[in-house]
Amino acid sequence: EVQLVESGGALVQPGGSLRLSCVASGFTFSRFWMSWVRQAPGKGLELVANINEEGTYTSHVDSVKGRFTISRDNARDALYLQMNSLRADDPAVYYCARHIPGGAMDLDLWGQGTLVTVSS
Amino acid sequence: EIVLTQSPGTLSLSPGESATLSCRASQSLGSGELAWYQQKPGQAPRLLIYRASTRATGIPDRFSGRGSGTDFTLSISRVEPEDFAVYYCQQRGPFGQGTKLEIK
Repeated sequence: EVQLVESGGALVQPGGSLRLSCVASGFTFSRFWMSWVRQAPGKGLELVANINEEGTYTSHVDSVKGRFTISRDNARDALYLQMNSLRADDPAVYYCARHIPGGAMDLDLWGQGTLVTVSS
Repeated sequence: EIVLTQSPGTLSLSPGESATLSCRASQSLGSGELAWYQQKPGQAPRLLIYRASTRATGIPDRFSGRGSGTDFTLSISRVEPEDFAVYYCQQRGPFGQGTKLEIK
């Protein structure tokens, strides 16, 4: 089955760190750009970061630059988001998503999401 | 950065009626690299349309997209009960704020 499964979401204190993981199955992971998208409770969608097929190019939204890092391990069919210095405006469901072929930003496969909560 | 503005914020319709959702970009998108997603409560978004007018795999033909430059629309020809959801447009990263399609 073609799917993405996220894990790693948790309750963390402000200033803390968390590493999200996303494991892909049913398709050739190394051939696709990947992204992390988040959705704060009751809010819209925000593209957090994306990475190319080889992991040699990454981009992060300004609000997470210097704090979050996207990476991938194609041997493990896995995508990661290292989240440091977590803030009160970071709580959200974090989705990993696959880009359509060719590097366009359209996202044709999504995981079920993992919840990150930031609270003391 | 391009800002996408969706309208209306909420659209109230009865099943069987037609829906037209708008997405306006703050800068011309030229090539029409715009996508539409549907999201139901408690679910991940689902890609409906990409490249402004191409339906994604498995999407019924009652969904159609059109537009170029700064103005794009998503149309649903006859709204089915399962179509009531929130719809987002997206261009090269940023998403619009969403349009909620609700039952009248």
